[in-house]
Amino acid sequence: DGGITQSPKYLFRKEGQNVTLSCEQNLNHDAMYWYRQDPGQGLRLIYYSQIVNDFQKGDIAEGYSVSREKKESFPLTVTSAQKNPTAFYLCASSIEGLGGSGYTFGSGTRLTVV
Amino acid sequence: QKEVEQDPGPLSVPEGAIVSLNCTYSNSAFQYFMWYRQYSRKGPELLMYTYSSGNKEDGRFTAQVDKSSKYISLFIRDSQPSDSATYLCAMTLGGSYIPTFGRGTSLIVHP
Repeated sequence: DGGITQSPKYLFRKEGQNVTLSCEQNLNHDAMYWYRQDPGQGLRLIYYSQIVNDFQKGDIAEGYSVSREKKESFPLTVTSAQKNPTAFYLCASSIEGLGGSGYTFGSGTRLTVV
Repeated sequence: QKEVEQDPGPLSVPEGAIVSLNCTYSNSAFQYFMWYRQYSRKGPELLMYTYSSGNKEDGRFTAQVDKSSKYISLFIRDSQPSDSATYLCAMTLGGSYIPTFGRGTSLIVHP
């Protein structure tokens, strides 16, 4: 079955550590996205990529980095510069140019700083 | 003022009730409107997608868009406990594929 796989489901980070969240899709979608979800704040866009080897900052990119070396993969690194990284992280993909109607989300990674 | 306003709830209804979930928005250029359902600790899933004004029905779900009032609604008929989830509205400008999301409304359907 086609879909998006995020791993791990739960992740714990110590202060000062970088951690990488994995996102893989087999939907042959061009565009991929990373969102952060906090209680009461909805979804906030971190980074997005429309094509391999290209990506753009979203609304809250500070303290995060991404890469898009393959169409299927869009990993997110939460760096030590991100001061409040505890959140639920969602990866999504879409067929470019469909006005957001083709969004498919992964099941999310819950990151906790310990 | 946020571009998309959505009451976070929670909205608690008895099983079988008709549920009305709503969003208002300020940018009249939004053209595509979506509703996503998100179960606890899961990613959102697309429920309904509509373009411009009017109604769209899919089983127990009806999405309604009133562009003149900048108001969209999702109606759920014969609500079930399995409908208990957070419902997110989202909308995009024409030519953009980055949606603006509402904060989500938590719905609880009790038996």
